[in-house]
This record gives sequence, structure tokens and C-alpha cells, in this order.
Amino acid sequence: DAGVTQSPTHLIKTRGQQVTLRCSPKSGHDTVSWYQQALGQGPQFIFQYYEEEERQRGNFPDRFSGHQFPNYSSELNVNALLLGDSALYLCASSVTGEDQPQHFGDGTRLSIL
Amino acid sequence: RKEVEQDPGPFNVPEGATVAFNCTYSNSASQSFFWYRQDCRKEPKLLMSVYSSGNEDGRFTAQLNRASQYISLLIRDSKLSDSATYLCVVKGPADSWGKLQFGAGTQVVVTP
Repeated sequence: DAGVTQSPTHLIKTRGQQVTLRCSPKSGHDTVSWYQQALGQGPQFIFQYYEEEERQRGNFPDRFSGHQFPNYSSELNVNALLLGDSALYLCASSVTGEDQPQHFGDGTRLSIL
Repeated sequence: RKEVEQDPGPFNVPEGATVAFNCTYSNSASQSFFWYRQDCRKEPKLLMSVYSSGNEDGRFTAQLNRASQYISLLIRDSKLSDSATYLCVVKGPADSWGKLQFGAGTQVVVTP
């Protein structure tokens, strides 16, 4: 049973560029949440997708956008990259309607030069 | 004020000893609580959920104090492999669709 998978594992970009990160949820999960974790901090909620729509959003600018596909996989897009966007980006999946913990992928480590 | 606050540590613990630490949360309507463990440069992994009556999982005991709005984690008979950052996680009714609020983590270092 595959867990949450994310790609790529590492990415290096320069300021102003755009990036797309990908996530496949755990089998049977229909909800995907994205988090940003800066060094020395806890993960910060970016947004959550369910039924191909953004259901909730954290305190992140519009440069951060996402998408969920019919197979429940998801993408996180970040435009006009800033140095401060350097972080570990984590995807977590869960089953909606159930009070179950979320399961995290290994994350994508994004470095902005 | 942060929604979830933790003592960053580090807590340096001799192998075999007991260590305990707390986490406070600001939203009194929060309903679900968890402890996650995160190893260096790895993803968070669920350690245990925290229930109102308190719960135990092997050497780990979690407690919830709703009146004072804090949860605690106690680790008995510490192992070297317990060295990690422990993240306190809270989910409230307004976030019932799954948004999790994380603390910044408490670092535990178990020494031989």
C-alpha cells in the first residue's frame, strides 16, 4: 500500500521563477493538504483540496495556487519565487469526514537562489 | 500570540530516563490533538492522538488538560532512537475539514 508520494524530492530555482510540486495521496484518501515548513519551524498550512476544489486556505499570498485532479492527486504552484519561499513543502492526505490524522509525504525541499 | 506554542528545547535526556514536555494552544474550541515526531530533514510522522481521558502507547503517555489548554507528552525509559523533534498538533472545529495547526516543535536529545 503506497503512502503519500511527492515529487521532486529536491529542487533549486532562482528568484522570479515558477515551480510546480506534485503529490499523490495515500490509497483510499480523497483530501490533500499542503504545508510549508521553514527551517526550525513547524509546518504552516497553505491550503487543502477536496473534490478538485480548494476548500480551505491558510495565510499565503495568491502566488501560491493549487489543483486537484480526478484521481485525487494534487499540484502546488508557486509563481514569482522569493528567497523566503525556500522551505520543505509537505503534502498530507486524509479521508474527508473522518477525524483521522493526516499522513505526510517525504516532502519536496525547495531552494531559491 | 501563536496558536500552538511549545518549548523548543533541546531536552537532553540520559538513556533510560523519563522526559516530559507540554504544548499550549490558544483556541479553546479545538477538538483534536496529536503528537507527531519529526526526524531531521524528514517528514512528520504521527506518534499518537491525544484523547480527553489521556492515553498511553507503550513508553509514551499523552495527556490533555482542556481547562488550562495544554497537552503533554511523557516518554519513559528513553531510547537513543527517541531523539527527534516532537510536534504538537491541534485541529479545531472551525478547521474540521482537516487544517492542522502545528507548534514549532520540541527537540529531544537522548544521550548514552
